[in-house]
Amino acid sequence: QEKVQQSPESLIVPEGAMVSLNCSFSDSASQSIWWYQQHPGKGPKALISIFSNGNKKEGRLTVYLNRASLHVSLHIKDSQPSDSAVYLCAVNDNNNAPRFGAGTKLSVKP
Amino acid sequence: DAGVTQTPRHEVAEKGQTIILKCEPVSGHNDLFWYRQTKIQGLELLSYFRSKSLMEDGGAFKDRFKAEMLNSSFSTLKIQPTEPKDSAVYLCASSFAGQDTQYFGPGTRLLVL
Repeated sequence: QEKVQQSPESLIVPEGAMVSLNCSFSDSASQSIWWYQQHPGKGPKALISIFSNGNKKEGRLTVYLNRASLHVSLHIKDSQPSDSAVYLCAVNDNNNAPRFGAGTKLSVKP
Repeated sequence: DAGVTQTPRHEVAEKGQTIILKCEPVSGHNDLFWYRQTKIQGLELLSYFRSKSLMEDGGAFKDRFKAEMLNSSFSTLKIQPTEPKDSAVYLCASSFAGQDTQYFGPGTRLLVL
């Protein structure tokens, strides 16, 4: 079964900082990879996905995927206090069943 | 459009009871997922349906957990009998199919005493 690991476990940054979150996975044949944001007491919300090697940018978010090194990262530019949340990496297996990492808790201080 | 609906939002059960959690996916979505979320284990996939067919039944969760998709707009997750270690947030999500975005419900917080 796909293993997904995220780092760091938690991160505290000042407002306006660039945030970098990491995710490693075990199966190079995995399908799409998703990043979700989860606020306390809420269900996760999908932010951005990537399938092919390379990068993808949407607004302040950029995701980088390297299948050879089994690594994907999410970068948040100009972070805001409202970005404070848990960020989850999810890797779809060959049945498109998602496997989630444990998450990174981000705190952006004003 | 309504999002994913889950009821109840909170449930308290005694050890050994049977509880049923309910989920209504986004209208038109073909895929439905049930997850359990705890601080220690994170998000674990319990069941996965595609067009009402069970694609994954959760491996280690099979013995006391049973998800059903009675029609395309309603699913239940039955836990029988409940144990204190089942205390967690149970999340339901749906998507059109395949690689598409998953939309999550708000979850049901279950406490088993």
